[in-house]
Amino acid sequence: GAGVSQTPSNKVTEKGKYVELRCDPISGHTALYWYRQSLGQGPEFLIYFQGTGAADDSGLPNDRFFAVRPEGSVSTLKIQRTERGDSAVYLCASSLGLFSSTDTQYFGPGTRLTVL
Amino acid sequence: QKEVEQNSGPLSVPEGAIASLNCTYSDRGSQSFFWYRQYSGKSPELIMFIYSNGDKEDGRFTAQLNKASQYVSLLIRDSQPSDSATYLCAASRGTGAGSYQLTFGKGTKLSVIP
Repeated sequence: GAGVSQTPSNKVTEKGKYVELRCDPISGHTALYWYRQSLGQGPEFLIYFQGTGAADDSGLPNDRFFAVRPEGSVSTLKIQRTERGDSAVYLCASSLGLFSSTDTQYFGPGTRLTVL
Repeated sequence: QKEVEQNSGPLSVPEGAIASLNCTYSDRGSQSFFWYRQYSGKSPELIMFIYSNGDKEDGRFTAQLNKASQYVSLLIRDSQPSDSATYLCAASRGTGAGSYQLTFGKGTKLSVIP
């Protein structure tokens, strides 16, 4: 079946603008994660959804970042008043949601965000 | 602070040799460990995971875990040029705060020389 999809693949915006990044998980996966990866770094956790609710948002850097998953499938990461430091690749991952440390996460292709 | 440490490399090995990638972690609550491969400009791709002490083999890949030493490794046998990529080590707690988020290292860049 299809993997995790993310749109857009690239987003260029100006400082101070609002952006939305979309993630469509693997069908049947109840858990969805957002990570951010800067150049030369490993992915950094942002937020985790189990179903429709944000089970862990401890990785969101500040209140400019917000994510929703209203129907328990597609998720949108929203960034207000973008700053140049927000430039990174935003990765979405999904998993079966097994409530186990072995629950395997599968990553989408990412959205490369550039804030000018 | 949960940390996963990896040597950033680059690690260069000749084609056909064994590549050994290492990872240490600081959070003793970590239960499972994942190895992802990431080609330049692409997203992480799962290779394998391990949660029990000892070795786990999958084709040319062997993951090793030593929880007492807080050490994880990945061996790649018969390395191929197509194995050239950055290898990310990640840890998951499974219980408690931050149970299911993955904590990643910075990755080790592997170059397999033909």
